[in-house]
Amino acid sequence: QKEVEQNSGPLSVPEGAIASLNCTYSDRVSQSFFWYRQYSGKSPELIMSIYSNGDKEDGRFTAQLNKASQYVSLLIRDSQPSDSATYLCAVFSGGYQKVTFGIGTKLQVIP
Amino acid sequence: ETGVTQTPRHLVMGMTNKKSLKCEQHLGHNAMYWYKQSAKKPLELMFVYNFKEQTENNSVPSRFSPECPNSSHLFLHLHTLQPEDSALYLCASSPDRGSGEQYFGPGTRLTVT
Repeated sequence: QKEVEQNSGPLSVPEGAIASLNCTYSDRVSQSFFWYRQYSGKSPELIMSIYSNGDKEDGRFTAQLNKASQYVSLLIRDSQPSDSATYLCAVFSGGYQKVTFGIGTKLQVIP
Repeated sequence: ETGVTQTPRHLVMGMTNKKSLKCEQHLGHNAMYWYKQSAKKPLELMFVYNFKEQTENNSVPSRFSPECPNSSHLFLHLHTLQPEDSALYLCASSPDRGSGEQYFGPGTRLTVT
């Protein structure tokens, strides 16, 4: 069973701080990695994609990928109360042609 | 709006009822998916269609029956459900089966009584 693991949280950070969300995966041949944001009562929304080792920045968000260690992280700088949501890590395996989701980490940004 | 719509948004049905969930995508994608989301569990992939052809049935009970008449529409027909089937049912689409980027509809909140 190919797995994606996340700490379910909640992760509480003060407004303006950096929130760090982590994810590990078990399938070494995974090719693509994604972060989805899901507000309470809403559906997941794709916010970041990363395909190669290193960092990818988009505004206040930075995705980091380390394939050797099989982990993906999402950093949110200058966290805002509107960032409070559950963040789902997702991993795409080309071999299985399937996206596997983690359970999600609930982030709470405290004003 | 994500370009993927689902109806109804909420559904309450008895165990002997038959109902259908509808999904439509306006993104020009070729792959469509049904997921089940239950509390404290990861998203569970149920069915995958690529160019209208079912490419995956993830060991889903036969009381759930998918239908994909074309690349833009996807249905999930429900009959004789169990209370444990109560969950959020999400439809998603992607450019094709080989793309991991998925775009979700708003979901149908299903309650089985």
